[in-house]
Parts: sequence; C-alpha cells; structure tokens
Amino acid sequence: QKEVEQNSGPLSVPEGAIASLNCTYSDRGSQSFFWYRQYSGKSPELIMSIYSNGDKEDGRFTAQLNKASQYVSLLIRDSQPCDSATYLCAVHLTGTASKLTFGTGTRLQVTL
Amino acid sequence: EAGVTQFPSHSVIEKGQTVTLRCDPISGHDNLYWYRRVMGKEIKFLLHFVKESKQDESGMPNNRFLAERTGGTYSTLKVQPAELEDSGVYFCASSTGLLYGYTFGSGTRLTVV
Repeated sequence: QKEVEQNSGPLSVPEGAIASLNCTYSDRGSQSFFWYRQYSGKSPELIMSIYSNGDKEDGRFTAQLNKASQYVSLLIRDSQPCDSATYLCAVHLTGTASKLTFGTGTRLQVTL
Repeated sequence: EAGVTQFPSHSVIEKGQTVTLRCDPISGHDNLYWYRRVMGKEIKFLLHFVKESKQDESGMPNNRFLAERTGGTYSTLKVQPAELEDSGVYFCASSTGLLYGYTFGSGTRLTVV
C-alpha cells in the first residue's frame, strides 16, 4: 500500500462544475496535509494546507480532512479552464521531521 | 520576494559524466529540500537541510549523490557518475517551517543518455 494515494485521472469536469479530488494516506498519526497544483512543465504551487478535521475554505477551494477515515479532499467550485492542472496531495507522515510525502497527483481537465 | 531559483533548467549528459545542480532558496528560509520526480512516479524526497546541516538524507539513492549547502545559503546536488536511472526532474524547495508549506523551484530536468 502506498503511503499517499491519489487517482491519477484524468478527471474531466465541465466549466462551472465542482471538481472533487481525493487523497488517502496510510499513517493514522499524520497531522499536516497540503494540496499543490502543478501546471505541465512548471513547479508545484501550494494552494491549501489543512491540519484539523473538517473543512477549510479559501476562495473557490475547499479542503476537507477526515483523520478517522484517513482521507483528505480538495473541492474546486465553479471550475475554470485555468484550473486544468495536476493536483498533488502531500502529507507530513509521523516521525519524518519536516519531509512531505507526495501522491502521484490527479490530472484535472476542465472542459468548455 | 524572489522565489526559489534552480539552474540549469535542463541538462543532458552521458552516462558516467558528472552533473551539478544548483538551488538558491528564498532569502531567510533556513529549510531547504531536494526532491526528484522520475517519469510516471510521484515526487520523492531526497534530503533536507536546516541552514548548512543535513537534517535528513534518508532519500538519497546512493553514494553517487552528494549534496552540500555551504554557509547555509545556496545548495548544490552533484551526481557522479550519472546513470540512466538518474534521469528525472529535480526540484528544490525552501520554507521557514513545515506549517507554511514549501515553495518549489522550477526544477532541473536531467536526462542521462
């Protein structure tokens, strides 16, 4: 079992719809979770961090964390073509100093 | 604020040659990380510096890889001798602390032929 798992996609959603990206992790003790967006050929860009159970909203983005079920998700409301990118889930696993463990990423395509 | 700078952006070398990658972190960021993404795989941790000290180098694949951060500013990652499986994108990232996440550089795409 991978430490951080994501569906590679592509996830295709129409413009204006809600995109839902999911990530599961194996370490029950993990405390810090991050979502990065990576455009093709570019560097990963931090878009959300979440540390407590529940929802955290920032503009059109909402991160959701459920530690009991060991999943973290990212919702993108009113999806736009510029949201088309690969979304990387990163987890700070217990006992790993400040190292982040990444999933393989989910490619999102927002269609017109 | 200048971002994390990496160079070269691309490097093509022959198997057995040496390559040195450089990373300039954001000024004031004590934490500097090297990660690598091999095609089709996830971004994987290589090592972590706090200032000039290696905090964690558990991800370094073997002794052909040598990272330094003299003076706690910029860092270099040398691969000597390079092998075909070293091909990938090498990312550098810096941060003031984990709670703030990382800022990544644009990466160096290394191709070993």
